[in-house]
Amino acid sequence: RKEVEQDPGPFNVPEGATVAFNCTYSNSASQSFFWYRQDCRKEPKLLMSVYSSGNEDGRFTAQLNRASQYISLLIRDSKLSDSATYLCVVNTGGSYIPTFGRGTSLIVHP
Amino acid sequence: NAGVTQTPKFQVLKTGQSMTLQCAQDMNHNSMYWYRQDPGMGLRLIYYSASEGTTDKGEVPNGYNVSRLNKREFSLRLESAAPSQTSVYFCASSELGRGNQPQHFGDGTRLSIL
Repeated sequence: RKEVEQDPGPFNVPEGATVAFNCTYSNSASQSFFWYRQDCRKEPKLLMSVYSSGNEDGRFTAQLNRASQYISLLIRDSKLSDSATYLCVVNTGGSYIPTFGRGTSLIVHP
Repeated sequence: NAGVTQTPKFQVLKTGQSMTLQCAQDMNHNSMYWYRQDPGMGLRLIYYSASEGTTDKGEVPNGYNVSRLNKREFSLRLESAAPSQTSVYFCASSELGRGNQPQHFGDGTRLSIL
C-alpha cells in the first residue's frame, strides 16, 4: 500500500459545482498535512495547511480525519481557474522528508 | 519577495555533457531539496539537505551529486547526462523537522538531454 494515495481523476465538473477530493495516508504517526496546487508543468504551490479542527480559506475547506487516516479538500463554486492538479502532502513529525501523493486532476468546464 | 530561485529555467544538453543546476532561497530555511518530475510519475526526491553541511540521498539519487554550498544555496550536478535524465527539476526549501511547516518550491528547470 502506498504511503499517500489519491484518486488521480480527472474530475470533470461544471463551473459553480462543488467538488471534493480525499487523500488517505498509511502512517499513523503523520503529524502535518498540506494541500498543494500544481498547474501543468509548473511548480507546486501551497494551497493550504490542514489543521485538526478543519480550516477554511474562501471557497476551499480542508479537513483531517485521524481515525480513518485521510484528509479532504472541498472546493465550492468552482471556477475555470481552479483547473489544476491537487497534491496531498503528509509529513511525519521530526522527518525532513514529506510524502507527496500523485495528485488529483480537476477540470472545470463552462 | 524571491523565495526559491532556480537557474537556468531551460537547458538542452547532449548525452555525456555535465552541468550544474543552481538553487537559492532567501527564507532562512534549514532544509533544501531537489526533486524531479516526469509525466505521470509525480514528484520524486533526488537528494535533500536537512541542514547546512549535510546531504542525503532520496528516492532516485543515481547519476546526480549535490552540494550544500551554504545555508542559502543547494546545487544539483549531472556529471554525465543521459537521456533518462530529461525531466523537470524542482528545488524546494522548508523548516520541516521543526513543526508544521510546508515546503516552498522554485519554478523549475526544464532539462532536455539529446
